[in-house]
Amino acid sequence: AQSVSQHNHHVILSEAASLELGCNYSYGGTVNLFWYVQYPGQHLQLLLKYFSGDPLVKGIKGFEAEFIKSKFSFNLRKPSVQWSDTAEYFCAVNIFGNEKLTFGTGTRLTIIP
Amino acid sequence: GAVVSQHPSRVICKSGTSVKIECRSLDFQATTMFWYRQFPKQSLMLMATSNEGSKATYEQGVEKDKFLINHASLTLSTLTVTSAHPEDSSFYICSATTGGRSWTEAFFGQGTRLTVV
Repeated sequence: AQSVSQHNHHVILSEAASLELGCNYSYGGTVNLFWYVQYPGQHLQLLLKYFSGDPLVKGIKGFEAEFIKSKFSFNLRKPSVQWSDTAEYFCAVNIFGNEKLTFGTGTRLTIIP
Repeated sequence: GAVVSQHPSRVICKSGTSVKIECRSLDFQATTMFWYRQFPKQSLMLMATSNEGSKATYEQGVEKDKFLINHASLTLSTLTVTSAHPEDSSFYICSATTGGRSWTEAFFGQGTRLTVV
């Protein structure tokens, strides 16, 4: 079964700092990759997704992620974070042709004004 | 984007009673609905997958007799926690997809905080 690792449990940054959150998965076949965000008290929202094509995908709110197949990674980046980016971020993987979505453990991001 | 509504958002029940949580897709027909459980500061753990009109598929270790899932229509799935105990207290989240195994996005409900006292 596939697994998803998010190495950072809690990241604290100042506003305007650059962000990179790591995500690695363990499956050798074709995968679909997602990043979700959960703002305090709200439901999970899709930030971006990768299915095929350009491995650099751009999402909402200035986020982007790069799929590096050789490293089984799908790291999330943002060049300049804002206080409103404070939230929990989840990486998720879906094996192509399988219904299930497997989540990483999540990274809590705290932005200090 | 598509909206998934979960009800109730919070529920407190006495030990031994049953609780039903509803998950509705408001503006699309969900071929598949998923139920997750999220422990504090942990990830979402998939409990079961349900397809409209058929029995749910439970993940290993999830008691099907305790967590009853019904997917009666393309817009409604319910999770019933039977004979709830304090250890069932958790945050339960549903999600819905369309397109069968070729889905391209999963939409999530706002979650239900269950507290068993």
